[in-house]
Amino acid sequence: ETGVTQTPRHLVMGMTNKKSLKCEQHLGHNAMYWYKQSAKKPLELMFVYNFKEQTENNSVPSRFSPECPNSSHLFLHLHTLQPEDSALYLCASSDPSGTVREQFFGPGTRLTVL
Amino acid sequence: GQNIDQPTEMTATEGAIVQINCTYQTSGFNGLFWYQQHAGEAPTFLSYNVLDGLEEKGRFSSFLSRSKGYSYLLLKELQMKDSASYLCAVLDSNYQLIWGAGTKLIIKP
Repeated sequence: ETGVTQTPRHLVMGMTNKKSLKCEQHLGHNAMYWYKQSAKKPLELMFVYNFKEQTENNSVPSRFSPECPNSSHLFLHLHTLQPEDSALYLCASSDPSGTVREQFFGPGTRLTVL
Repeated sequence: GQNIDQPTEMTATEGAIVQINCTYQTSGFNGLFWYQQHAGEAPTFLSYNVLDGLEEKGRFSSFLSRSKGYSYLLLKELQMKDSASYLCAVLDSNYQLIWGAGTKLIIKP
């Protein structure tokens, strides 16, 4: 596989469930990101990992917990979510040492919280 | 605060030209990106500008004026497949991307 992959593509969960989103990149990048995309709003950066170390946490509620076991994999653990957390969750990766530093995105997980 | 402004929606005709504007106010500037996002799909990279001027890539061109905090994306010879959202984003002084809300472009036959 090439590029950035995300699983699952769709997820429906109740407020008391625990679930995890998975992201994998095959681009040899060392930076990975989680974004939340809600309708008609800018992409919201949630977490950033550089060389497996978390470097940004933009005031994200603790019901979202990231994990980065290596530079190719990124997880987002979900627990006790609220209906307003329903959104498209996008994973991205980039080469932090590159000249342009464009981010490559996965297809996203469409999350619905009931 | 940091802010990226772009129109919410635009409509254009197949075969025509359309210009999507983006203005920004950010803490520092390390480049401006344009991404295309089709409904239900991932954003894909279109262009990057860090110096003033026009960058041309096939039917798409992107312009930057750093002194004015302004960029535009120019799409020529519009095709139906160009119907998508176009996202403007600025790399700030911390090398984090600040995103606009996107411009939904509707192409009519």
